[in-house]
Amino acid sequence: DAGITQSPRHKVTETGTPVTLRCHQTENHRYMYWYRQDPGHGLRLIHYSYGVKDTDKGEVSDGYSVSRSKTEDFLLTLESATSSQTSVYFCAISERGSPNTEAFFGQGTRLTVV
Amino acid sequence: AQSVSQHNHHVILSEAASLELGCNYSYGGTVNLFWYVQYPGQHLQLLLKYFSGDPLVKGIKGFEAEFIKSKFSFNLRKPSVQWSDTAEYFCAVPNQGGKLIFGQGTELSVKP
Repeated sequence: DAGITQSPRHKVTETGTPVTLRCHQTENHRYMYWYRQDPGHGLRLIHYSYGVKDTDKGEVSDGYSVSRSKTEDFLLTLESATSSQTSVYFCAISERGSPNTEAFFGQGTRLTVV
Repeated sequence: AQSVSQHNHHVILSEAASLELGCNYSYGGTVNLFWYVQYPGQHLQLLLKYFSGDPLVKGIKGFEAEFIKSKFSFNLRKPSVQWSDTAEYFCAVPNQGGKLIFGQGTELSVKP
């Protein structure tokens, strides 16, 4: 398995509170991604990074921000959590970020917003 | 924009039955395609991939998929499923920057 660690693995938080999820990789891959998984929607891209300090929005970025100050860490922040952000969040990494490069996924973080 | 459709949302089979899960994509140009599998409580793992060449692609655990360009399809097949194949299966198309566009997923339940 690729060296990807997501933390925390489970979190319950209250509506309106900020939440930060961490993705840490030991593969030195340039590209990192945050997806959310919801029933009936598959996985949808929230934000991605193509290098340190280089990030861009994905399909469902509203209410989320990201930061990447080091190659190995990619943080996802829910600025003010809402119940619609209850989901399973997956981090992924890719060495080259080209369409013919495989992405590797972390174990996921199950977030519940009450 | 590209899109991916998986028509079967939940498939229930008995062990030893044959499996075919549908996947259709929207883009008509050069395309790469993936099938990922997610076992209960686990992360996504790559099952197989198509980049070019032979349209019949073989993956891990006896799975295969056929790329049919004229039908915009990349269906996943396995001749004889096992209980351990119970999982959710995702078809995906990579975009620029390696961003993946996923289908809705198909949940496969295999009865022992």
